[in-house]
Amino acid sequence: EAQVTQNPRYLITVTGKKLTVTCSQNMNHEYMSWYRQDPGLGLRQIYYSMNVEVTDKGDVPEGYKVSRKEKRNFPLILESPSPNQTSLYFCASSSPGGARGYTFGSGTRLTVV
Amino acid sequence: AQSVTQPDIHITVSEGASLELRCNYSYGATPYLFWYVQSPGQGLQLLLKYFSGDTLVQGIKGFEAEFKRSQSSFNLRKPSVHWSDAAEYFCAVLPEVGGGGNKLTFGTGTQLKVEL
Repeated sequence: EAQVTQNPRYLITVTGKKLTVTCSQNMNHEYMSWYRQDPGLGLRQIYYSMNVEVTDKGDVPEGYKVSRKEKRNFPLILESPSPNQTSLYFCASSSPGGARGYTFGSGTRLTVV
Repeated sequence: AQSVTQPDIHITVSEGASLELRCNYSYGATPYLFWYVQSPGQGLQLLLKYFSGDTLVQGIKGFEAEFKRSQSSFNLRKPSVHWSDAAEYFCAVLPEVGGGGNKLTFGTGTQLKVEL
């Protein structure tokens, strides 16, 4: 089954403790992206990757890092999480151009206390 | 920069009533247009998409949307709402290939409540 898998689904952490949210897709998609969803703001892009070793900032990249060492994986790294990063995070992938639509993961609910 | 506006934050309809969710976009050309639905605690599911051709597109779960170039709109409709349609709905735009890459830009969402 074609899917994007994110882990963990839920995470509570403390301010400053580094964490990684993993994302993996099995569709051989070149394009992957991370979004955060906040009430009243919709989904905003954090980082994206056009292919292996090619990443770039989205609209709200501050406080986040990503890497793309393999085509299937696109982890999101919070090196020093802060409470304003409490959010619902989605990973997505698509074929080039995105015209066939994005496939989204199930989301990761992160709480930073 | 492209943007998407969903003017209705919350909408409440009675079960069996018709539904229309509004979406307006701002972009220099005609982008690709999408509607996604997010049920409580779930991820995003694609309802339908428009690329070109017939301006009335059919999607899953009985939804349809109409693209109106003159109004820069892509409104979502359903003739008869079911209680299970209660969810949050997002309109999204994607520039045509080569016009900005793959970036999918979302509206702020419309929360649909269905009264029994």
